[in-house]
Amino acid sequence: DQQVKQNSPSLSVQEGRISILNCDYTNSMFDYFLWYKKYPAEGPTFLISISSIKDKNEDGRFTVFLNKSAKHLSLHIVPSQPGDSAVYFCAASAPNSGNTPLVFGKGTRLSVIA
Amino acid sequence: DGGITQSPKYLFRKEGQNVTLSCEQNLNHDAMYWYRQDPGQGLRLIYYSQIVNDFQKGDIAEGYSVSREKKESFPLTVTSAQKNPTAFYLCASSIGGGSGELFFGEGSRLTVL
Repeated sequence: DQQVKQNSPSLSVQEGRISILNCDYTNSMFDYFLWYKKYPAEGPTFLISISSIKDKNEDGRFTVFLNKSAKHLSLHIVPSQPGDSAVYFCAASAPNSGNTPLVFGKGTRLSVIA
Repeated sequence: DGGITQSPKYLFRKEGQNVTLSCEQNLNHDAMYWYRQDPGQGLRLIYYSQIVNDFQKGDIAEGYSVSREKKESFPLTVTSAQKNPTAFYLCASSIGGGSGELFFGEGSRLTVL
């Protein structure tokens, strides 16, 4: 059973507009969440993270929002740029539940159209 | 430069052959991981190691084997028992096991002919 779900396999957004990528999780023990960005034939790179003690974390054009009661997080990219076109993976962990590895969602492919 | 090096980047193999993918890191990280990426499947954990001479199975370990004889190295062997070995393989490391941010290599694409 998937513990981290990214229900939208793909998303298309016009350049300059906001991109919103969603992620849901089922394990209430998760308390640390990360977003990774991946270009074809390359390894994923870390983008932004959020701890469960916060509900928002911002880094430049990227903001992650966490709604613990809904077990939902989202990544906002504004303004979107063509270089943002990539696959975005949501990941979660439970640091206080032993050293279990990150659990990844299946990813959302973002296409930013010029 | 510090980082994770995977080799080879592209590899072709005949059915029934074993193949070993190399992963080396010079980040002095304790934990290392192998993931497999297939279209629409995301990143699935094959094996991970939190310390030298110890490793654990991930979600899809069948048909794979690993070793962790040195802190810097975590090679993955894709055996002939792996039924669908054609995939993109990613190695990663983290400072400690569990919640730490993962640093990924560039990946190795294995194609079975």
